[in-house]
Amino acid sequence: EPEVTQTPSHQVTQMGQEVILRCVPISNHLYFYWYRQILGQKVEFLVSFYNNEISEKSEIFDDQFSVERPDGSNFTLKIRSTKLEDSAMYFCASSVREGKGDSPLHFGNGTRLTVT
Amino acid sequence: AQSVSQHNHHVILSEAASLELGCNYSYGGTVNLFWYVQYPGQHLQLLLKYFSGDPLVKGIKGFEAEFIKSKFSFNLRKPSVQWSDTAEYFCAVNAKGGYNKLIFGAGTRLAVHP
Repeated sequence: EPEVTQTPSHQVTQMGQEVILRCVPISNHLYFYWYRQILGQKVEFLVSFYNNEISEKSEIFDDQFSVERPDGSNFTLKIRSTKLEDSAMYFCASSVREGKGDSPLHFGNGTRLTVT
Repeated sequence: AQSVSQHNHHVILSEAASLELGCNYSYGGTVNLFWYVQYPGQHLQLLLKYFSGDPLVKGIKGFEAEFIKSKFSFNLRKPSVQWSDTAEYFCAVNAKGGYNKLIFGAGTRLAVHP
């Protein structure tokens, strides 16, 4: 079964540094997402992306965050200047279509980001 | 605002026991409902989903869930759990017809003892 793959599995960075989290969605999927889960808290929606544009973003997704699909296969999340509170597990997901009722999300294994 | 409540944070069962995990959601419109499972060290996997039709939906690995609209509930059940069901279970909703902005519950960590 095709999978969403994320790299790295664990990233440690110092506060103020930039990080890029990488994802390879399932090849025929058109919609891409980032979610995050701070330790002990709920999985939270960050952003959805379609046709090279952000389609929706949450209040968490401020100017420090950006997403990009630099080529036909990768989907990246960049955090410009990391803060301690950015430490979390970041999940990439993809779906064939939007949530019209028949296109569930497929998630990657996540990248655990630790900001020190 | 949409929200999802999962009543149990930790559940411990013996093999062959029956399982029911509660999920209630708060949303004024029509929703799609999901249960995801995360086995240790693995990604979130879809267990089952409800979009419309029969409110009793069957998923993988013997799981089922019942949508009760009047109670805004979507409880997950399994008649007889196995040790391999040890995992974290997440209930989630999204607004029907909208983007895939899933709202997750806090999760229920299930431990099944042999």
